[in-house]
Amino acid sequence: GENVEQHPSTLSVQEGDSAVIKCTYSDSASNYFPWYKQELGKRPQLIIDIRSNVGEKKDQRIAVTLNKTAKHFSLHITETQPEDSAVYFCAASEAGGSYIPTFGRGTSLIVHP
Amino acid sequence: SAVISQKPSRDICQRGTSLTIQCQVDSQVTMMFWYRQQPGQSLTLIATANQGSEATYESGFVIDKFPISRPNLTFSTLTVSNMSPEDSSIYLCSVELQADGEQYFGPGTRLTVT
Repeated sequence: GENVEQHPSTLSVQEGDSAVIKCTYSDSASNYFPWYKQELGKRPQLIIDIRSNVGEKKDQRIAVTLNKTAKHFSLHITETQPEDSAVYFCAASEAGGSYIPTFGRGTSLIVHP
Repeated sequence: SAVISQKPSRDICQRGTSLTIQCQVDSQVTMMFWYRQQPGQSLTLIATANQGSEATYESGFVIDKFPISRPNLTFSTLTVSNMSPEDSSIYLCSVELQADGEQYFGPGTRLTVT
């Protein structure tokens, strides 16, 4: 089955800095890679996703990159703000197949004002 | 996106009892899942809820302990049976929307077993 590794487990940055979270996956059949943000006491919220037919996707201050050859993908947050503080989860799955995503262990991002 | 509701939002239960959690979606979905999330941990898939047939359970989870129903496309229940303190966790319903193929989560049910 799929195995997703996520690093770092904790990331502390100053407001305005950039933050990068990296994930690797094992199953070359995976072709859909969503990212979720979970604030304390709330549900995971889908913030961005990427499919294997593109290498990069941006949405305002967040972007995701994908390297299928190396089987890794990353979340980039620029100009971080205190409200970006949360736990971020990456996931990998095979869309159109059984579509059961495998989640990483999560990264706790802390943005200091 | 979609509106996903779960009931109850939280409960405190006695050891040995059972609790049924309901999940309702207001949109057409292709798949429904049940997850467990321990404090500070990642999301662990319990099972995929299949409409009109038995759920597909992940390793470590069995039907006798976590019976699941999905009588129609937009509704599912998860029962946590014969509870012990180790079952204390947040249980999350999740769906894949037919409209965009993306996965969304319900608000969760916080279960405490005493």
